[in-house]
Amino acid sequence: SYVLTQQSSVSVAPGKAARITCGGDNIGLKSVHWYQQRPGQAPVMVLFYDDDRPSGIPDRFSGFNSGNTATLTISRVEAGDEADYYCQVWDSSSDDWVFGGGTTLTVL
Amino acid sequence: QVTLRESGPALLRPTQTLTLTCSFSGFSLNTSDMCVSWLRQPPGKALEWLALVDWEGDEFYKTSLKTRLTISIDTSRDRVVLSMTNVNPVDTATYYCARQSDGYGHGFDSWGQGVPVTVSS
Repeated sequence: SYVLTQQSSVSVAPGKAARITCGGDNIGLKSVHWYQQRPGQAPVMVLFYDDDRPSGIPDRFSGFNSGNTATLTISRVEAGDEADYYCQVWDSSSDDWVFGGGTTLTVL
Repeated sequence: QVTLRESGPALLRPTQTLTLTCSFSGFSLNTSDMCVSWLRQPPGKALEWLALVDWEGDEFYKTSLKTRLTISIDTSRDRVVLSMTNVNPVDTATYYCARQSDGYGHGFDSWGQGVPVTVSS
């Protein structure tokens, strides 16, 4: 089965950029989606197809996917960005929708 | 406005069958490329996809749980039901339903608020 690996935690000062990575075998050949989950809330999609933003998601959120790593970058981090972030792909070879283990973003 | 809402029992005993209902509005499962999935999240753990039903009624299941899961579209076609047989404490989780509006490869673009389920004797 396909495995996605994320850092367990990332800490960043307000106003700085946070980079959250998602590793997978040739993940650059897949479409990666990213979700934000604040404590006690349902996940919200913040990026789809690697770097597209749903309506209402600020342009501070961007993505890149190549090789074996996909990256979610949050520019000018704010206190409200503190949350768990999950990457996700569709493994078409096994019809499995796979999530990474999640990264907790802490704003210092 | 797209909405999804999960409903189901809060507490089950081991070996019972869990039945969850996802009631949705603002979109139709008659629309090509539309899919609804069930996912779960054990306390303090990561999200896990469980099952998907698509606009044609085709069903997909997490391999390791395939023998215990059944996903179906209600005859009204505005509800998706998940059944999980023979539950045990490791099935304790918040269960979510979510929509994909552009086929299997799209992200889960709308989610319900989730329903917490505890399995305990």
